[in-house]
Parts: sequence; C-alpha cells; structure tokens
Amino acid sequence: EAGVAQSPRYKIIEKRQSVAFWCNPISGHATLYWYQQILGQGPKLLIQFQNNGVVDDSQLPKDRFSAERLKGVDSTLKIQPAKLEDSAVYLCASSLAYEQYFGPGTRLTVT
Amino acid sequence: AQSVTQLDSQVPVFEEAPVELRCNYSSSVSVYLFWYVQYPNQGLQLLLKYLSGSTLVESINGFEAEFNKSQTSFHLRKPSVHISDTAEYFCAVFTGGGNKLTFGTGTQLKVEL
Repeated sequence: EAGVAQSPRYKIIEKRQSVAFWCNPISGHATLYWYQQILGQGPKLLIQFQNNGVVDDSQLPKDRFSAERLKGVDSTLKIQPAKLEDSAVYLCASSLAYEQYFGPGTRLTVT
Repeated sequence: AQSVTQLDSQVPVFEEAPVELRCNYSSSVSVYLFWYVQYPNQGLQLLLKYLSGSTLVESINGFEAEFNKSQTSFHLRKPSVHISDTAEYFCAVFTGGGNKLTFGTGTQLKVEL
C-alpha cells in the first residue's frame, strides 16, 4: 500500500513570496490533516478535512494560509505572503479512524 | 482541552542500556494514546498505540509503553537500545470529542556507542 505522498520535499523562498504544497493521502482515507512542525516543537494541526469538507481550521492563519481538498482526494496548502516565522516542516497525514499516517513532509525555509 | 507533556527534551544513553521516555497527558475524557518516532528528514511513523484492553502495549522493535490512568501517564521504555533507535519520539493523545491528535513537544533520544 502506497503511503502519503508530499511534494516538494524542500522549498526555499523569500519573505512575502507565495508557496504551495501538495499532498496525496492513502487511497480510501477520508480524513486528511495538515500540520506545521516548527523546529524543536511537536506538530501543530493547521486544518483537518473530512472528504472535501473542512472539519477544523481553528489554528489556520487565514489571512495568509489557505487549503483545499478538491474531490476529497489530494490537497493543496498555500501560504501567501510568507513570513519568516513560517519556516517549518509541513506535514500531511491521512486516516480512516484514530491512527494517522504521515507523509515525509515539506521543509520550508523563508529568508 | 487535552494536553501532552514530555518533560525530557533530550535523553542521551549508551547502546544496550535501558531507556524510559516520559509522557503525561491531561484530559477529562477517555483517550487513545500514541507514540510516534521521527527519524531525521522523515515524517512521523507510528511506534505503538493504546486504544483499549491491556494497559501494556508493545512495538515490533522492542519498545513498550504502559497506560497508567491514575497517573495519566504513557511512558515509553526499551530494555536495551540500539544505535538505530536514535530519533525524536513524540507522544500524542486523541480524544473522540475533539477528533484530533495533540502532540507533545518531543524527546530527542541519542544513543551513543
């Protein structure tokens, strides 16, 4: 069974630029999550989708972050414009029930 | 709201020595508990989980954790570590009401020869 796929793996941008991350969950997993992991901290949930609907986006900085999950399968997370404090690893995960499966993450560096 | 505390940010240990990584949680409702491991430049991998039943759960690579409801703890142990166990370990709690996973800040396990 293929795991959660994410791209790109690494991205370096300047502040005020925009960036997008892509995630393809495990086939059949209805729930998809985006996490932000800042160096030295645990992952923090940004947004949770159930199929193509948003379940929880209370921690998403909506003035600059957006996410969509068209057709309830893959998902895109966008940051526009980026700030220095957005430097982090962005993890995507998917689940059927309680157990979440994580992708390799995208390491974003904002300079 | 639930929270997870991992008191030790770093744990150095010599190879073949035992190790315990501590995890305490706070929640007013029933919880499911997880340990995830993260190797450098990789995503999180599930190490073991407690959903119900026996309070002692084991992983395939020799780790075990015990759910202690009275102490609200889920400490991770291994009787003899290997150099390949060097990684960051995250404890996480899932509650059905919030339907989301809350992570601790992680413990960096460094195994030395």
